[in-house]
Amino acid sequence: EVQLVESGGGLVQPGGSLRLSCAASGFIFNNYAMNWVRQAPGKGLEWLSGISLSGHTTNYADSVRGRFTISRDNSNNTLYLQLTSLRAEDTAVYYCAKDGGYCSHGTCFSRDLFDLWGQGTVVTVSS
Amino acid sequence: IQMTQSPSSVSVAVGDRVTITCRASQNIAGWLAWYQQKPGKAPKLLIYGASTLQSGVPSRFSGSGSGTDFTLTISSLQPEDFATYYCQQANSFPLTFGGGTKVQI
Repeated sequence: EVQLVESGGGLVQPGGSLRLSCAASGFIFNNYAMNWVRQAPGKGLEWLSGISLSGHTTNYADSVRGRFTISRDNSNNTLYLQLTSLRAEDTAVYYCAKDGGYCSHGTCFSRDLFDLWGQGTVVTVSS
Repeated sequence: IQMTQSPSSVSVAVGDRVTITCRASQNIAGWLAWYQQKPGKAPKLLIYGASTLQSGVPSRFSGSGSGTDFTLTISSLQPEDFATYYCQQANSFPLTFGGGTKVQI
């Protein structure tokens, strides 16, 4: 089955750290860029970060640059997001999302949109 | 790039035609996607490239537009279509979403 399963969320104090994981299955993980998107309670969607197929290129939203770090382990089909210096406004459901790219003649291309989402993991930042 | 959706909410009936608009703060060509999200669930990709229907999405959904102005149309609203809809620009980083449009009864 094609799926993404996040884990690692929880309650953390302001200033604390957390590492989120996203286990991928059912597709060739290293053929696709991957992303993290979050949704604060009652709010809209916010893209946080993306990582290229190889992991060599990363991008971040201004709101998390310098505090969050995206990485991937292609040998274990897992995406990560390291969260540091957490603030109350980081409280949200965190989703990992697969890029809706494609491969052609041995080359894979990203589309920078999201065609598969995990179920989300909840991060609550509170004292 | 700022993405502005309108309306923020709309009240409709089953069978109605619904149109949601999304405006980008700068030219994004056709690099636009639409998502549907139901309460407590992850978003679902409906349309990419402004007008290409994702596999498995009913044909009552359609998208149009290019440059800065885009629309999502549901030709005949079904009960399962009551949800919140988001646009997202895929033109450049940081990727950004519109604020969402809640389609309710």
